[in-house]
Amino acid sequence: NAGVTQTPKFQVLKTGQSMTLQCAQDMNHEYMSWYRQDPGMGLRLIHYSVGAGITDQGEVPNGYNVSRSTTEDFPLRLLSAAPSQTSVYFCASSGGVNYGYTFGSGTRLTVV
Amino acid sequence: GENVEQHPSTLSVQEGDSAVIKCTYSDSASNYFPWYKQELGKGPQLIIDIRSNVGEKKDQRIAVTLNKTAKHFSLHITETQPEDSAVYFCAASIRNQFYFGTGTSLTVIP
Repeated sequence: NAGVTQTPKFQVLKTGQSMTLQCAQDMNHEYMSWYRQDPGMGLRLIHYSVGAGITDQGEVPNGYNVSRSTTEDFPLRLLSAAPSQTSVYFCASSGGVNYGYTFGSGTRLTVV
Repeated sequence: GENVEQHPSTLSVQEGDSAVIKCTYSDSASNYFPWYKQELGKGPQLIIDIRSNVGEKKDQRIAVTLNKTAKHFSLHITETQPEDSAVYFCAASIRNQFYFGTGTSLTVIP
């Protein structure tokens, strides 16, 4: 049972480049979310989804897009990378808003 | 949205002592409060949670208490061990979203 799988683990982008962070879960969870983690700021919600075909914005959605075509996958797209998007990104899934998250191992992104 | 404050930001204890981390939340509609432990280079891991209809929950050396009237909840770790050293996050859920505290870096000194 793999849980939540994120790829890649590390990525360096140049300003203006685009890329997709992949996230997949094998627990049949309806709930999936993307967070970014910055020093001293905890975990901030970027986008979330309560089921296939449904997505919504979190606290810091600007510069990011998501889609949820299947229950398993929830990719995060950076449209035009900026240095302010340098961060560690975590994908998480749960059985619902009143159940704990299972987090992936994270993607460390550096934008130069 | 919900505002979750967490204190202290850093905490050092001697091995065997207890550690307490406190969080407050602003929205009385929040009804689920999980705690996560994050070790260096890893994703956060759920260690214990509590729902709004419960005042206290224990799991071996870890306990969580909830005071709905005062809108605060706390994590208690007893008989701390070096492997308890990590960053701990509290969270509160409301309206399909989780809001996290800013984390507490716990160091257990052998």
